[in-house]
Amino acid sequence: GESVGLHLPTLSVQEGDNSIINCAYSNSASDYFIWYKQESGKGPQFIIDIRSNMDKRQGQRVTVLLNKTVKHLSLQIAATQPGDSAVYFCAENTDNYGQNFVFGPGTRLSVLP
Amino acid sequence: DTAVSQTPKYLVTQMGNDKSIKCEQNLGHDTMYWYKQDSKKFLKIMFSYNNKELIINETVPNRFSPKSPDKAHLNLHINSLELGDSAVYFCASSQPGGVAFFGQGTRLTVV
Repeated sequence: GESVGLHLPTLSVQEGDNSIINCAYSNSASDYFIWYKQESGKGPQFIIDIRSNMDKRQGQRVTVLLNKTVKHLSLQIAATQPGDSAVYFCAENTDNYGQNFVFGPGTRLSVLP
Repeated sequence: DTAVSQTPKYLVTQMGNDKSIKCEQNLGHDTMYWYKQDSKKFLKIMFSYNNKELIINETVPNRFSPKSPDKAHLNLHINSLELGDSAVYFCASSQPGGVAFFGQGTRLTVV
């Protein structure tokens, strides 16, 4: 089933610290996952993706970890900066055609000075 | 050089009115989507079109009708607007199985 959030979880971190944002996905058959960042007043922007044949993928300052056993995805942001403040969403591809992405409830990241 | 552009950015209208939101993408993608984001930031897919053909039509009132005149455009028409339709609507596009690129959103307020 789809995950429905009753409220938006918030993570507050000090500037310069590492951030870890977690996501539990719903469909064990999902084979493709994407992390998006949404800044205030803007649409979601792609950060990093991972396919189910991988456990880890690294980008610039970001790392995504996938644990298929417990259907868990995490996004690690190194040396968090004020510009990282946003809402972060994980999205899972739930069909074979790559056309239905189900979004998680989102996590608001606040970077403290 | 906006990749996915939607208009208008803000839309305030009265209950019962009919309104349209337009979306265009210049990325050459085959697939376009409409998503609805509620006040709690929850994003839910409404429709998906591939090469002008409807692929996904989630449980959405039939007052919502997407129209795709060509694969670069996917417009959303809403009839008889209700208070509960107030939300931010996002258009997106992708290649099948690829990353979706989103527009900046249209904030619809029904009064």
